Amino acid sequence: GAVVSQHPSWVICKSGTSVKIECRSLDFQATTMFWYRQFPKQSLMLMATSNEGSKATYEQGVEKDKFLINHASLTLSTLTVTSAHPEDSSFYICSVRSSGMGGEQYFGPGTRLTVT
Amino acid sequence: QQQVKQSPQSLIVQKGGISIINCAYENTAFDYFPWYQQFPGKGPALLIAIRPDVSEKKEGRFTISFNKSAKQFSLHIMDSQPGDSATYFCAASPGGNKLIFGAGTRLAVHP
Repeated sequence: GAVVSQHPSWVICKSGTSVKIECRSLDFQATTMFWYRQFPKQSLMLMATSNEGSKATYEQGVEKDKFLINHASLTLSTLTVTSAHPEDSSFYICSVRSSGMGGEQYFGPGTRLTVT
Repeated sequence: QQQVKQSPQSLIVQKGGISIINCAYENTAFDYFPWYQQFPGKGPALLIAIRPDVSEKKEGRFTISFNKSAKQFSLHIMDSQPGDSATYFCAASPGGNKLIFGAGTRLAVHP
């Protein structure tokens, strides 16, 4: 399977500040990446689909001005949580998908965000 | 239409037993059905996946059974081990794009 990294693995930030999370595809070029959010003991909820070189597609109910996604290259997508609030505290996970791999999605290790 | 219903919510199995987790879907546009394993604090790991053109797929101790007419699919873990204790998610995807996840099943395998 694909190797996906995320940085940082955990971050604590103060309310009102912004935090950037990186997702890297280490062993293949990912034209499409996905960002998910997972609250404790819950399932994964898709936030947005990130396509290299174009604007991200956000799921209904996800604020695109609050969760900024940039897919600058075929190996890097970033999620910036702007003006973070305690309710944004969650586990953020990215996944990568390549059309050459039959549509399989491989997930990163996740980033634990705590907003104080 | 977009939901994937997963059961049971939790499951306790003795070592060496068979763990069975079931999922059902409504949307006939779904054509890709993966299962993921997630340990606490980690990202989900792809276990096994199936497409509607086959009724069963086996990889090691893991088997997916797929019933297209009933719109159901299940994961069987044979010879369950304590190391299999984790949360398992089924998912479905239309056209290999975004995944719709089930609610998850917390499996505990007791020695």
